[in-house]
Amino acid sequence: DTGVSQDPRHKITKRGQNVTFRCDPISEHNRLYWYRQTLGQGPEFLTYFQNEAQLEKSRLLSDRFSAERPKGSFSTLEIQRTEQGDSAMYLCASSPGGTTYEQYFGPGTRLTVT
Amino acid sequence: AQKITQTQPGMFVQEKEAVTLDCTYDTSDPSYGLFWYKQPSSGEMIFLIYQGSYDQQNATEGRYSLNFQKARKSANLVISASQLGDSAMYFCAMSPVQGAQKLVFGQGTRLTINP
Repeated sequence: DTGVSQDPRHKITKRGQNVTFRCDPISEHNRLYWYRQTLGQGPEFLTYFQNEAQLEKSRLLSDRFSAERPKGSFSTLEIQRTEQGDSAMYLCASSPGGTTYEQYFGPGTRLTVT
Repeated sequence: AQKITQTQPGMFVQEKEAVTLDCTYDTSDPSYGLFWYKQPSSGEMIFLIYQGSYDQQNATEGRYSLNFQKARKSANLVISASQLGDSAMYFCAMSPVQGAQKLVFGQGTRLTINP
């Protein structure tokens, strides 16, 4: 059973550009989460999918951010018009749901906005 | 709202000693879960252990145990017989068992194991 994978692992972009990250969860995990982690802090919740439905979004997720999980498998997180404050590690996690509560994280995508 | 507090920014321990990492929490949810994750310098968050709020016994996973004291709202992680590979950031987290079950994390504790 392969773990959660994320692509790319690192992204450097100029302010104002759009970026898109991909997350492939553990197969048959119907819950998928995106978190953001800045230096020296714990991860902060961004958004949550159950299958293809986006059921919750944090206030941290401004209108420049959009996430999709079109077929209930992989997910994408897009940031439009990037700002230097968007520089962070973006972590994806998946969970089987039901009575299994632990979430399994991918390696993350480190975004640097110059 | 849920809140996790980890008051130890850094801990230094000799190899083979036991170490306790502190975690206190606050929540109004009647049922919740408590988690510990390890984050090595590579960046990946590794799940270590889970404790449900209604579990009667403290959770154990190999060298990891969770010292759950519900009345004190604490969920300390105990690592027995520490190893050099245990050096990492450790995060305590919690989530409600209903709804999105999104994790709320503390600030983390950096653990360094000295040879």
